[in-house]
Amino acid sequence: GAGVSQSPRYKVAKRGQDVALRCDPISGHVSLFWYQQALGQGPEFLTYFQNEAQLDKSGLPSDRFFAERPEGSVSTLKIQRTQQEDSAVYLCASSLVISGGLNIQYFGAGTRLSVL
Amino acid sequence: LAKTTQPISMDSYEGQEVNITCSHNNIATNDYITWYQQFPSQGPRFIIQGYKTKVTNEVASLFIPADRKSSTLSLPRVSLSDTAVYYCLVWVGTDKLIFGTGTRLQVFP
Repeated sequence: GAGVSQSPRYKVAKRGQDVALRCDPISGHVSLFWYQQALGQGPEFLTYFQNEAQLDKSGLPSDRFFAERPEGSVSTLKIQRTQQEDSAVYLCASSLVISGGLNIQYFGAGTRLSVL
Repeated sequence: LAKTTQPISMDSYEGQEVNITCSHNNIATNDYITWYQQFPSQGPRFIIQGYKTKVTNEVASLFIPADRKSSTLSLPRVSLSDTAVYYCLVWVGTDKLIFGTGTRLQVFP
């Protein structure tokens, strides 16, 4: 595709509901990253994948957060039993490689999650 | 905890040069420094990337001293459309990916 696509763009959830956020990376990009961006703050790293392998999930705030990329392309970030503090924009990015040169990350527009 | 700090905000006028510095005192040895621009309700957009010394592209320059503990994004002749938040992004230690605190640039006519 032309760019990183995220869906839905907006999600409203009642506290306690489960949500799933989808990311379609740029075709051929090996690496995929998830970030959380609170209002007025910079993005904070959540997790990243190289192909289907989740190499680092140390940024996930709690065990209610789960990410997967089963076929090394599309990724889903799932949040179980949402809480109000989960309200944020969730950004997905993809890149050709993880690190070193050419590790330019291309970002989607994000999913704005509001937990009521 | 490694910090990657930037000035909170900067003001400028159209046509001026703007320099934004990011301090990253625990940057990973072998990785690049990347700068992004973010407009409201959009994802960050790539501006420039470098490893050391100076890099220039059609929109910006990036200056990185020998110790690589900081980097400076230079925007020549800014325009109103450059009003945005600017972030550096670095790997710190061996495996942590951290955005800078962000600099809100306001350009006035």
